[in-house]
Amino acid sequence: IVLTQSPATLSLSPGERATLSCRASQSVYIYLAWYQQRPGQAPRLLIYDASTRATGVPARFSGSGSGTDFTLTISSLEPEDFAIYYCQQRTNWYTFGQGTKLEIK
Amino acid sequence: QVHLVQSGAEVKKPGASVKVSCKASGYTFIIYDIHWVRQAPGQRHEWMGWINAGNGNTKYSQKFQDRVTFTRDTSSTTAYMELDNLTSEDTAVYFCVRPQSGGWFDPWGQGTLVTVSS
Repeated sequence: IVLTQSPATLSLSPGERATLSCRASQSVYIYLAWYQQRPGQAPRLLIYDASTRATGVPARFSGSGSGTDFTLTISSLEPEDFAIYYCQQRTNWYTFGQGTKLEIK
Repeated sequence: QVHLVQSGAEVKKPGASVKVSCKASGYTFIIYDIHWVRQAPGQRHEWMGWINAGNGNTKYSQKFQDRVTFTRDTSSTTAYMELDNLTSEDTAVYFCVRPQSGGWFDPWGQGTLVTVSS
């Protein structure tokens, strides 16, 4: 299953709302997760099962979608949110999207 | 708190093998699988497979199954990934990860950079 993320780069300012997209080549039902990765660090699980926040993840992060189209929303960007975000599915083994870089405008 | 601590960076020549370790702590080691994922420069993360830390059973991704071996040592709660016949395309950061109860990858080790260069 191929996951395609858009946009490749998103330039926003702190306080703005971010909307990131992940599209699957076939249905993954709700079995999609979102990870945040900062340079030189390991990925951090943010959202799993499409819309469940992982332990300790701030409420400004939310996920939605099912089937083939998914969205990660960050309601009001904090400085520490500027990073790369990846989606991942586990319906058919495990594959990852190519990432969306969220950068400061 | 669950922690996965990996071995340090490696530089290898083409054709060599590399063995990366992943020391687990903060939970009962034999209850959870350990997965391995790699990220080559500018590439997507690639899932390589898993090992059942309890019985040692393994599952390898088709791409790697001919030259990767996962092992574990329950006495030291450490998992290992060995990759043979390295090429420059194997230059990547290799991560061990433990799935949470729902099956998603959390937490991850800090990553081990493997550089393959002549």
